[in-house]
Amino acid sequence: AQKITQTQPGMFVQEKEAVTLDCTYDTSDQSYGLFWYKQPSSGEMIFLIYQGSYDEQNATEGRYSLNFQKARKSANLVISASQLGDSAMYFCAMREGNSSASKIIFGSGTRLSIRP
Amino acid sequence: IAGITQAPTSQILAAGRRMTLRCTQDMRHNAMYWYRQDLGLGLRLIHYSNTAGTTGKGEVPDGYSVSRANTDDFPLTLASAVPSQTSVYFCASSDSPDRATEAFFGQGTRLTVV
Repeated sequence: AQKITQTQPGMFVQEKEAVTLDCTYDTSDQSYGLFWYKQPSSGEMIFLIYQGSYDEQNATEGRYSLNFQKARKSANLVISASQLGDSAMYFCAMREGNSSASKIIFGSGTRLSIRP
Repeated sequence: IAGITQAPTSQILAAGRRMTLRCTQDMRHNAMYWYRQDLGLGLRLIHYSNTAGTTGKGEVPDGYSVSRANTDDFPLTLASAVPSQTSVYFCASSDSPDRATEAFFGQGTRLTVV
């Protein structure tokens, strides 16, 4: 069963608008972590933001925030005031498992395109 | 600071040949991972290692093997390459398998099996 689901293969957003990228996850673990990565056309993977399952407040990093709804098992990424440089692939990821068998798995990604 | 180094950067390989993708990190990270990236499928975990001397299977382990003889190196071997293993391969590492630390990625290896 797919554990990380990103239902938006592609999105177009006008520059300076806010955008929400959806991510839902499935795990039976009580302790887990959620990540978002950006992959520009150059191919490198850039870490954006992290949310722990026990964190009570939503994580924020500059223009990035993570809308964490634990009961719904969703971890949406919100980008405020989008910029042309935000055009990229975005991946949601989850770390689950205990210290002897912990792994990080990824969703299929969302391609975000910012229109000038 | 090198971080994670993958070699080769790209490779064209004849089907049936054996190939080892190399991955070395200099951050003394405990956990290391191998992923393959295919269009529309995102990154899929092949194998992982939470500490030197241990490895585990990911989502798509068939046709691949790994070893973790020391902290720094995590090679991925294709024993007999097939065209469906054409992909971009990423190696990653993280400080600890059970802490809130992100994974750092190498630059990727583009492998074409013909």
